[in-house]
Amino acid sequence: EVQLVQSGAEVKRPGESLKIFCKASGYSFTNYWFGWVRQMPGKGLEWMGIIYPGDSDTRYSPSFEGQVTISVDKSISTAYLQWRSLKASDSAIYYCATGPQVYFDTWGQGTLVTVSP
Amino acid sequence: EIVLTQSPGTLSLSPGERGTLSCRASQTISTSYLAWYQQKPGQAPRLLIYGTSRRATGIPDRFSGSGSGTDFTLTISRLEPEDSAVYYCQNYVTSIFTFGGGTKVEIK
Repeated sequence: EVQLVQSGAEVKRPGESLKIFCKASGYSFTNYWFGWVRQMPGKGLEWMGIIYPGDSDTRYSPSFEGQVTISVDKSISTAYLQWRSLKASDSAIYYCATGPQVYFDTWGQGTLVTVSP
Repeated sequence: EIVLTQSPGTLSLSPGERGTLSCRASQTISTSYLAWYQQKPGQAPRLLIYGTSRRATGIPDRFSGSGSGTDFTLTISRLEPEDSAVYYCQNYVTSIFTFGGGTKVEIK
């Protein structure tokens, strides 16, 4: 069974750094694109970026370029989403997802990030 | 950048009725790159339709997709109470994904 399991909820202060993860199992991790999607409270889905674990080819949404870093560790089939300096506006649920390049057919359960003074 | 506009914002229907959800693109897109997702409260999104009209694994046949050019439709032929959710369309082009704003389906 293809499964994505994300790290647990985080509570952080503005200015702090954060790295959340998404561990994949049940399929060949390096053969499918991996994406991150943001959902702010009560809002819709926003695509942040994708990475191809096979060669770490990474593409970012213009809205998130320079704001976050997406990476993978092939040895443990895990993808990461990282912030250097969080803002209150980064409070959201973050989903990882995987699939063929053009759509996502498997999703993680989501990681709630709360940034508050 | 392609913008996807979904309508209506909210659709309120009774069980057994037919629901028609629209997704309009700001420019012509490939039918291969249009997908639909369902998201229920407190849950992650679930892929319903990809390639405009292909049902994902395990999706009931009451869900169907159609369209071309700039106009795409998700149809739920006979609404059931468990279809209450927000539905999003999504496009892919040149390494950029875009989601529509969503249509909330309420079951009376």
